[in-house]
Amino acid sequence: RKEVEQDPGPFNVPEGATVAFNCTYSNSASQSFFWYRQDCRKEPKLLMSVYSSGNEDGRFTAQLNRASQYISLLIRDSKLSDSATYLCAVRLGRGSTLGRLYFGRGTQLTVWP
Amino acid sequence: EAQVTQNPRYLITVTGKKLTVTCSQNMNHEYMSWYRQDPGLGLRQIYYSMNVEVTDKGDVPEGYKVSRKEKRNFPLILESPSPNQTSLYFCASRQGGSYNEQFFGPGTRLTVL
Repeated sequence: RKEVEQDPGPFNVPEGATVAFNCTYSNSASQSFFWYRQDCRKEPKLLMSVYSSGNEDGRFTAQLNRASQYISLLIRDSKLSDSATYLCAVRLGRGSTLGRLYFGRGTQLTVWP
Repeated sequence: EAQVTQNPRYLITVTGKKLTVTCSQNMNHEYMSWYRQDPGLGLRQIYYSMNVEVTDKGDVPEGYKVSRKEKRNFPLILESPSPNQTSLYFCASRQGGSYNEQFFGPGTRLTVL
């Protein structure tokens, strides 16, 4: 079973729409959670970390549900520039796997005018 | 400028010809990793290193070697490349600590004929 599962999409939405991505993780010892953005054929870049209490950065809101073992990303008022692939990532908190960051396969988002 | 650099960025080679992809970071990060990214499979970790002379296998280590003789460098070695190692490779680094951002290099696109 994969450590991190993510709906690959694609999601195609009009400008101004609200879109949500979910990601589930299998290991309850997971400690740190992230959303990365990857533009076509470029390196992933950190979009935001996901904290237990949830956090917001402008139009982006990230939530963590430890009981159900999933994280979510909500994008409000989508812009054309939001078109990219969004990767969730999970890091275990202890032992020899402390250095490992597990990624989902990514969800492709296209925002159309 | 804080960055992770990889060389070469593009490489076409033939089966069996040993090659090395270099990775260097100037942020004094403890952790470094190598990933490969393939369509439909997402980012998969090949090897990672928690510090100098400390390396461990990721999910897909077969056919690869790494070394960490200096903190800033983490080369990826393909002793005898095969066509199934054709992929997009990313090096990454981060400082220790749960929520420290992982920075990625620009990627190396490798084709093995």
